[in-house]
Amino acid sequence: AQSVTQLGSHVSVSEGALVLLRCNYSSSVPPYLFWYVQYPNQGLQLLLKYTSAATLVKGINGFEAEFKKSETSFHLTKPSAHMSDAAEYFCAVSDWSGGSNYKLTFGKGTLLTVNP
Amino acid sequence: DTGVSQDPRHKITKRGQNVTFRCDPISEHNRLYWYRQTLGQGPEFLTYFQNEAQLEKSRLLSDRFSAERPKGSFSTLEIQRTEQGDSAMYLCASSLLAGGRNEQFFGPGTRLTVL
Repeated sequence: AQSVTQLGSHVSVSEGALVLLRCNYSSSVPPYLFWYVQYPNQGLQLLLKYTSAATLVKGINGFEAEFKKSETSFHLTKPSAHMSDAAEYFCAVSDWSGGSNYKLTFGKGTLLTVNP
Repeated sequence: DTGVSQDPRHKITKRGQNVTFRCDPISEHNRLYWYRQTLGQGPEFLTYFQNEAQLEKSRLLSDRFSAERPKGSFSTLEIQRTEQGDSAMYLCASSLLAGGRNEQFFGPGTRLTVL
């Protein structure tokens, strides 16, 4: 079974500061990894995904993540935080069946607060 | 391009009542998923369909829960004899299975409150 651990349920940064949200995964097969963002009372929006191509993945809104197999990590970063980045962020790994990925296993989420 | 839609967005019901939620996926998507999200947790997989076939159900999906996807288009999730523990956000997602990538697009969710 695959699992995801997000270190830190709450991260607070100042506007303009570096954002670093941590994600470690457990998987018995090469994983597909995802970061989603959720704004209050809304569904999840895909930020970026790793699908065994380049290990450094660039996503929307200036976010990027690096897949490190040796550390089983997929941390999310953004060089300079904006107030609009305040939201909850979820890391997810995809299970495989019949040669394709399907269900997502999510971490518990990290709430990002951006202070002016 | 319309995304995934869910109806209703909010549902308040009394314990013991039945409720039904609807999900309309992105039109060309052949896979549809249901997840449940409780407060302070990430979404948890409930079930998924490929076209009209329900291919997997989680152990979280008790006998009181049933999901359908007639004709491989919209899907419904019904909860019978609701319990307070069923209070959660129910999320629907859809994807197009192509080349094994299967990127999932989520709807806004239905928030269920059981009194």
